[in-house]
Amino acid sequence: NAGVMQNPRHLVRRRGQEARLRCSPMKGHSHVYWYRQLPEEGLKFMVYLQKENIIDESGMPKERFSAEFPKEGPSILRIQQVVRGDSAAYFCASSPRTGRANQPQHFGDGTRLSIL
Amino acid sequence: AQTVTQSQPEMSVQEAETVTLSCTYDTSESDYYLFWYKQPPSRQMILVIRQEAYKQQNATENRFSVNFQKAAKSFSLKISDSQLGDAAMYFCAYKDSNYQLIWGAGTKLIIKP
Repeated sequence: NAGVMQNPRHLVRRRGQEARLRCSPMKGHSHVYWYRQLPEEGLKFMVYLQKENIIDESGMPKERFSAEFPKEGPSILRIQQVVRGDSAAYFCASSPRTGRANQPQHFGDGTRLSIL
Repeated sequence: AQTVTQSQPEMSVQEAETVTLSCTYDTSESDYYLFWYKQPPSRQMILVIRQEAYKQQNATENRFSVNFQKAAKSFSLKISDSQLGDAAMYFCAYKDSNYQLIWGAGTKLIIKP
């Protein structure tokens, strides 16, 4: 009965370090979405991936951010040379397929990233 | 571009009473889906209810129901018999054939005992 698993739940980094956030989708799901939630705001789309493919990264900052979803293993959101403005909650969601918009995206518990 | 607006930053209701949270959206699409998500203090994101735009009947899930007014592009959430566990941030979200969820800014719901 495993849902979307994100780890770590909390991550603290100093400015200039790298942050790696992991997301394992629900069993049977092959589509992964990353969203960012700044304090007191709703979620903002970052990137959509399928296995070994980035489908849409239009919401991702052009620099320092990257995402992957390898054939084996979890999806990784990587933030290089973190800055204070990267402090946020990062949510991962998964769905079994697109093309059917009524498929809800199932969310993980999020990773709270704090930059010192 | 599609937008979602929640005009109530905060709402409060007495326990056991009914409260309605507002949401409006803007789209030129005719086929789309609307969702309400709940985010309690634990910060999880939990799906509360969803509505298909092609369905005229309002969705209902136990104490939660929606008032979907397609022409007015309005999608409000009604919570009946409010309970302390309902205290949370509530987000309205929109999705069409595109895969992105478009989110409102949220409404903080306070339940008074």
